[in-house]
Parts: sequence; C-alpha cells; structure tokens
Amino acid sequence: QKEVEQNSGPLSVPEGAIASLNCTYSDRVSQSFFWYRQYSGKSPELIMSIYSNGDKEDGRFTAQLNKASQYVSLLIRDSQPSDSATYLCAAIKRGTYGNNRLAFGKGNQVVVIP
Amino acid sequence: ETGVTQSPTHLIKTRGQQVTLRCSSQSGHNTVSWYQQALGQGPQFIFQYYREEENGRGNFPPRFSGLQFPNYSSELNVNALELDDSALYLCASSEIAGAPRETQYFGPGTRLLVL
Repeated sequence: QKEVEQNSGPLSVPEGAIASLNCTYSDRVSQSFFWYRQYSGKSPELIMSIYSNGDKEDGRFTAQLNKASQYVSLLIRDSQPSDSATYLCAAIKRGTYGNNRLAFGKGNQVVVIP
Repeated sequence: ETGVTQSPTHLIKTRGQQVTLRCSSQSGHNTVSWYQQALGQGPQFIFQYYREEENGRGNFPPRFSGLQFPNYSSELNVNALELDDSALYLCASSEIAGAPRETQYFGPGTRLLVL
C-alpha cells in the first residue's frame, strides 16, 4: 500500500467552476499534511497545510482533513486558467532518528478550460 | 519565492560520471532535505541534513551522498551515474528538524539528464 495515494486522472474544469482533489494516506499516525502546486517544469510550491480535522480556507483554496477516514482533499473555487498545474498531496512521515520526511502522492493534473 | 536556491538549473552527464548539485537554504533554516522527482511521479526522499549531520535517509544507494556546511548551504553528490538517475532534484529547507508541523520549502530544482 502506498503511503500517500492520489488516484484520480487528469481533471478538466471550466473556468469559474470548483475543482476537487482527493488524497488518502496509509499511516494513521500521520498528523501533518500539505498541498503543493507544481507547474510544468517547475518545483513544488506550498499552497496549503492542514493539521486538524475539518476545513481550512485560504482565499480560493479549502483543504479538508478527515483523520478517521484517512483522507485529505483540496477544493479550488472559481478556478482560473492560472490554476492549471499538478497538485501534490504530502504527509509528514516520522523517521527512525526523529527526522521528518515528506511522503508524496504522484499528483493530480488540473486543466482549467477558459 | 522561497529563498531557497539551487545550482545548476540544468545538467547533462554521461553514464558513469559523477555530479554535484548545490543548494542554499532559506536564511535561518538549519535543515535541508533532498528529493528526487522522476517524470510523472511525486518527489521521493533521498536524505536530510541537520546541523551538518545526516539525519535520515530514504531508499537510495550509497552512491548518493551529501554534505551540509556551516552556512547552511548543502550538496548532493551522485557517483557512477545511471540512466535512471535522470530526474528533477529538489532541495527543501525547513526551520526545525523533527517539529510536528515542520514545513519544507522547495528550491527551483536541478534537472539532470544522464545519457
């Protein structure tokens, strides 16, 4: 079982619509989760972090965390062409020596159609 | 901008060669992590350095090695390059290693092509 899974294929949404992305994680101990946006050929850019059950809103982005079901989601409201990118879900994994590493899903590509 | 810089931006090497990639962490961040991202995949953790010591390692062979310097710059060295080493190499800096909400900020990456 993969540590973080993002199974949806490319998502096409009309401009102005809501894009919804989901992610599941396998380790019930994980406490901290992140969404990164990655434009083609660029590096990941942090857009949201979430640590507690429920919703967290930041501008047009809302992250949702459900620890009982072990899933994290990201909603993008009023989608804009500039939101066209790959979105990576990540969870902090605790290492043997007390270090943290990020475990990533493979990402979901979002295409916003004008 | 995250304040994390990497050099070079692109690099082409031949199989069997050695390569050194460099990273400068965000000011005040004493932890650097390195990731490898193959095309179409999420980043994979290579290792982390904290206060100049290796502080955790992923499932990568010993030919991947690193250094961190007192000024919080760091290096990733890869020996005996293989074709599968072609990828985007990312460094990420964070303020406190091991903090429950440790947030890692990525540099722009180095794209390595091995021929």
